[in-house]
Amino acid sequence: QSALTQPRSVSGSPGQSVTISCTGTSSDVGGYNYVSWYQQHPGKAPKLMIYDVSKRPSGVPDRFSGSKSGNTASLTISGLQAEDEADYYCCSYAGSYTRGWVFGGGTKLTVL
Amino acid sequence: QVQLQESGPGLVKPSQTLSLTCTVSGGSISSGSYYWSWIRQPAGKGLEWIGRIYTSGSTNYNPSLKSRVTISVDTSKNQFSLKLSSVTAADTAVYYCAGYSYGYDYWGQGTLVTVSS
Repeated sequence: QSALTQPRSVSGSPGQSVTISCTGTSSDVGGYNYVSWYQQHPGKAPKLMIYDVSKRPSGVPDRFSGSKSGNTASLTISGLQAEDEADYYCCSYAGSYTRGWVFGGGTKLTVL
Repeated sequence: QVQLQESGPGLVKPSQTLSLTCTVSGGSISSGSYYWSWIRQPAGKGLEWIGRIYTSGSTNYNPSLKSRVTISVDTSKNQFSLKLSSVTAADTAVYYCAGYSYGYDYWGQGTLVTVSS
């Protein structure tokens, strides 16, 4: 059982928007602004899409955005494209001397 | 551009110690802005954070694995390593090394380690 809770799957049609939630506690998501999101295609290593809740690394399209409210973080993908179909994982800092870093169980995004 | 590459045995017997090395190229592992980590992923499952090391040598481990894990760094070789003792079939996974600056922005390609006799 993963420390952070994500929906197992979400879907959307090309051009639509989808939001993936990531629910933790006040000891991880709610306690720190160190939430990141990763995209993973089959057989590939994860790729950083969002860090520090809402910041985008260079090269990540602005269709990807992140936010947080209380103990829940969210990743929104707008203008869905076929290549966005992948697994998405959230990750949160949970304290150096407690749990370190924790991941969500992952969400499978299907582009219909 | 920093690149990471995992290396080590792909097959480990139960009760033995899993040992992996991550070689960092394209930059110095001693760069003060990075934490170096190990993350694993069992087949068809999610990511699990194993632990991290700073170039000062300070470490943090997943509490569920802490009693069996050691992460070390060799700055002269630009490498960091993972040792996981007393392995069982539940430790079978793809093991990734990764670098954290602002998020885990650098990842190795991953290496499959199977625990089987």
